[in-house]
Amino acid sequence: DTEVTQTPKHLVMGMTNKKSLKCEQHMGHRAMYWYKQKAKKPPELMFVYSYEKLSINESVPSRFSPECPNSSLLNLHLHALQPEDSALYLCASSQALALGGLNIQYFGAGTRLSVL
Amino acid sequence: KNEVEQSPQNLTAQEGEFITINCSYSVGISALHWLQQHPGGGIVSLFMLSSGKKKHGRLIATINIQEKHSSLHITASHPRDSAVYICAVARNDMRFGAGTRLTVKP
Repeated sequence: DTEVTQTPKHLVMGMTNKKSLKCEQHMGHRAMYWYKQKAKKPPELMFVYSYEKLSINESVPSRFSPECPNSSLLNLHLHALQPEDSALYLCASSQALALGGLNIQYFGAGTRLSVL
Repeated sequence: KNEVEQSPQNLTAQEGEFITINCSYSVGISALHWLQQHPGGGIVSLFMLSSGKKKHGRLIATINIQEKHSSLHITASHPRDSAVYICAVARNDMRFGAGTRLTVKP
């Protein structure tokens, strides 16, 4: 099983809503990633978790709050988002962060988020 | 200047044509990745290279570490190859190129 599952596939939310994106993998990977991708742009790294601990936060606004409850699950909690936060949010996992660039990252299909 | 430059940005080909997408980078890396993204979002890892050449089916990827350059080739292209192809260089994180949007017409 080389699958990374993201739910929901699509999400529409208002600026005052609170919602969560979920990501799950059962490959035994210990590094998990959140990326944001705007239309026709490459993915931008948001957060990296390694062994369930936050390793990298790329200066992401606090209205995005990541959580890694266990080694298989990664959540992204959303609160008071702005319309410019509308994007495709991609989750990825890899064997271990310590492998550096030798990791292959496995990506989910993404959640397409629209903020009204 | 971006750390990872891809060319061309857009490419249209007829079915059966041989296709080359290029990637140049300016930083030291431990590996280079070629990724494929279909409309709708999902990204698939095609190759991870740290030297030489790899082949998988109709896809071939090469890297020249000294020249900091990699190419992705598709032989006998098919409409189902239509996608965005992304080059990403890796150290502890991945730095992505802007992608090449390939359209293969029947």
